[in-house]
Amino acid sequence: GAVVSQHPSWVICKSGTSVKIECRSLDFQATTMFWYRQFPKKSLMLMATSNEGSKATYEQGVEKDKFLINHASLTLSTLTVTSAHPEDSSFYICSARESRGDFYEQYFGPGTRLTVT
Amino acid sequence: GNSVTQMEGPVTLSEEAFLTINCTYTATGYPSLFWYVQYPGEGLQLLLKATKADDKGSNKGFEATYRKETTSFHLEKGSVQVSDSAVYFCALSDLRTDKLIFGTGTRLQVFP
Repeated sequence: GAVVSQHPSWVICKSGTSVKIECRSLDFQATTMFWYRQFPKKSLMLMATSNEGSKATYEQGVEKDKFLINHASLTLSTLTVTSAHPEDSSFYICSARESRGDFYEQYFGPGTRLTVT
Repeated sequence: GNSVTQMEGPVTLSEEAFLTINCTYTATGYPSLFWYVQYPGEGLQLLLKATKADDKGSNKGFEATYRKETTSFHLEKGSVQVSDSAVYFCALSDLRTDKLIFGTGTRLQVFP
């Protein structure tokens, strides 16, 4: 199947700093990517939908100024957590949608664990 | 709104036991239904899916049938292995937005 990578796989940062997470579709082009947040023992919560060449669409309750999303190419989307705080510590997962005619499927990255101290 | 409910875990089984993980959904219309699996330290992988009522998705010995009348998509496997230990997520695809809506996940632990 198609492969989606995330970098870094884990990161520790100090409170107040910003962290960028990359999501890449390695062997297909993705006009749409999604960013999720996963809390311990909880489900995935969709944060935003990232569309190549346009602004991201954020879910209700997600601060767009705090979680900056850029989808500058068909294979790369980035999530920047600005002015991070300990409550932003979480597991962030991206997915990329492959579309070919009527066929489409989401492929998930391995996730990035963010710890804010 | 659309939602997915799945049984709380952990589910603990001995190797070769029969597995059922229940999943029910609430949705407008007839969404596509999915089971994803997350192995320790890895991302989610699509396990199986069904796109319309009475469809059966199957993969790696796992099966789930799209039951419109009971709005369910229970995951089953006849004989589990230790390597099946993982977290299993039931999900539906919102027809209007194409977004995936996940259940809370069920952890399966299989012991030899």
